[in-house]
Amino acid sequence: QVQLVESGGGLVKPGGSLRLSCQASGFTFPPFYMSWVRQAPGKGPEWISYIGADYGTNYADSVKGRFTISRDNARNSLYLQMNSLRVEDTGLYYCVRENYGHGDFWGQGTLVTVSS
Amino acid sequence: VLTQSPGTLSLSPGERATFSCRASQTVSTTHFAWYQQKPGQAPRLLMHGASTRATGVPDRFSASGSGTDFTLTISGLQPEDFAIYYCQQYADSVWTFGQGTVVDMK
Repeated sequence: QVQLVESGGGLVKPGGSLRLSCQASGFTFPPFYMSWVRQAPGKGPEWISYIGADYGTNYADSVKGRFTISRDNARNSLYLQMNSLRVEDTGLYYCVRENYGHGDFWGQGTLVTVSS
Repeated sequence: VLTQSPGTLSLSPGERATFSCRASQTVSTTHFAWYQQKPGQAPRLLMHGASTRATGVPDRFSASGSGTDFTLTISGLQPEDFAIYYCQQYADSVWTFGQGTVVDMK
């Protein structure tokens, strides 16, 4: 069955960096697009980035220039490098398999807390 | 922008739940979806292509809509259906979510 397991979250000070990882299994990783979606405490989901199997990417305006999404198709892995973190980046970060513009499988999330 | 209404729906088990999602611009039905989220869990895909149930979703869930107005209906609420429901669209290479409708027990 499809499994997406995120890791790499934690507590970081404003201005700091973190790298999130997502290990995918149970499906053929390429050709699926993969996304990161985050959810601040008590708020709805917010899409932040996707990457295609051809490594094409897009970002939400809120993270453009600070976050970088990447993938390793040989390792069935997805990554999110987060730099210049802000308090408002706090939340649960989900790895999501994309299928025609919607997320058909979601991981359980990894928590990122940005606080001084 | 996707605007969901109502914000909260208080109903009893067995009742019918209907709630809506309105888009600020015309949405492709191919790229419109609904999700269910329970406390402590990730969102779960319910409907895609505006009206197609995802794998394993019971047939008491149905959805319709086109253009800017979309509706999700649960006919006969079960205890496990009390949750938050989000709509989502994909357009211009960006995903957008609505703010959610909470379905809670009266």
